[in-house]
Amino acid sequence: EAQVTQNPRYLITVTGKKLTVTCSQNMNHEYMSWYRQDPGLGLRQIYYSMNVEVTDKGDVPEGYKVSRKEKRNFPLILESPSPNQTSLYFCASSSYSPGETQYFGPGTRLLVL
Amino acid sequence: GENVEQHPSTLSVQEGDSAVIKCTYSDSASNYFPWYKQELGKGPQLIIDIRSNVGEKKDQRIAVTLNKTAKHFSLHITETQPEDSAVYFCAARGGSQGNLIFGKGTKLSVKP
Repeated sequence: EAQVTQNPRYLITVTGKKLTVTCSQNMNHEYMSWYRQDPGLGLRQIYYSMNVEVTDKGDVPEGYKVSRKEKRNFPLILESPSPNQTSLYFCASSSYSPGETQYFGPGTRLLVL
Repeated sequence: GENVEQHPSTLSVQEGDSAVIKCTYSDSASNYFPWYKQELGKGPQLIIDIRSNVGEKKDQRIAVTLNKTAKHFSLHITETQPEDSAVYFCAARGGSQGNLIFGKGTKLSVKP
């Protein structure tokens, strides 16, 4: 089954404790992206990757890091989480270009205390 | 860069009525306009999209219209059903950068 998976689905952590949210897709997509969803603000892009070893900032990249060492994986790293990073996070992937159909993962709900 | 405005933020209709959600965009070079549906506890899922060389597209009870001159596009759902209740997002692909820019979403409630 074609899908985007994220882990963990739920995470409670404390300020300053490094964490990683994994994202994996099995559709051989070149393009992958991370979004955060906050009430009243919709979906905002954090980082994206056009292909392996190619990453770039989205609209709200501060406090986040990403890496793309393999085509299928695109982890989101929070080196020192803060309460304002409490949010619902989605990973997405698409083929060829970001304008093609994006397939979203199920989301990761993060609470930073 | 691209900016997408979406209205209304909430919409409540009776089952069987029609629902219309409208979006405007700022970048005249934008050429791809998808609509996503997000059900509770799930990620957004594409329901319909339209490209700038087309004015209207239909898929059963769902249709999207695009007015390039006015830079707005709309989602039309006819004969609404309770399972249409969800949050709907419009998006536009910014011409220069190419990433999707999303509207803030519309929470649609269909009352039986």
